[in-house]
Amino acid sequence: QSVLTQPPSVSGAPRQRVIISCSGSSSSIGNNAVNWYQQLPGKAPKLLIYYDDRLPSGVSDRFSGSKSGTSASLAISGLQSEDEADYYCAAWDDSLNGPVFGGGTKLTVL
Amino acid sequence: EVYLVESGGGLVRPGGSLRLSCAASGITFSGYWMSWVRQAPGKGLEWVANINQDGSVKYYAGSVKGRFTIFRDNGKNSVYLQMNSLRADDTAVYYCARLYTSSDMWWFDPWGQGTLVTVSS
Repeated sequence: QSVLTQPPSVSGAPRQRVIISCSGSSSSIGNNAVNWYQQLPGKAPKLLIYYDDRLPSGVSDRFSGSKSGTSASLAISGLQSEDEADYYCAAWDDSLNGPVFGGGTKLTVL
Repeated sequence: EVYLVESGGGLVRPGGSLRLSCAASGITFSGYWMSWVRQAPGKGLEWVANINQDGSVKYYAGSVKGRFTIFRDNGKNSVYLQMNSLRADDTAVYYCARLYTSSDMWWFDPWGQGTLVTVSS
């Protein structure tokens, strides 16, 4: 059981917008930055969002992140077939001196 | 561009040992924390261990503490994971990743392609 809670799956039609939620606690999300990673089928994870809502260079602005209290969200607008992937949230855990991950959300583009 | 390439995975019997390696290029390796993250087949990501720039500070997930050791050789731009007393639930793809930390920011980027470790009799 993951420390951060994500829905197992979400889906949306092309050009639609979907939101993936990530719920944690005061010791994880509530006190530390949240990052999001995209894992395409058969590939290594890739940094998608860092420090709650910042986009790394080269990442499409169709992706956006937000955080409020002990929850975070990843929004993907203008869905495209190439967005089909697993998405993971992660937050630092001060007691571990390492991060905790959500269980991952599989995005299906209908 | 930064590249991380893992090696050393394979099939090992329960109770056995294995050493993973991760070679970095395109970065000033000695300037960064490094980490190992694993992913069991069909499962999510699990952080394994972190090591600081000179190797003097190390942190481990509870599931591997006392069995795994992370270390690095800055002269070879490499980080390693020595895995002892392996169990079936250690079966996973092991990724190395650069851990960027600054003030209250942190992230893993980039990641290597991963190396598969299978623990089975």
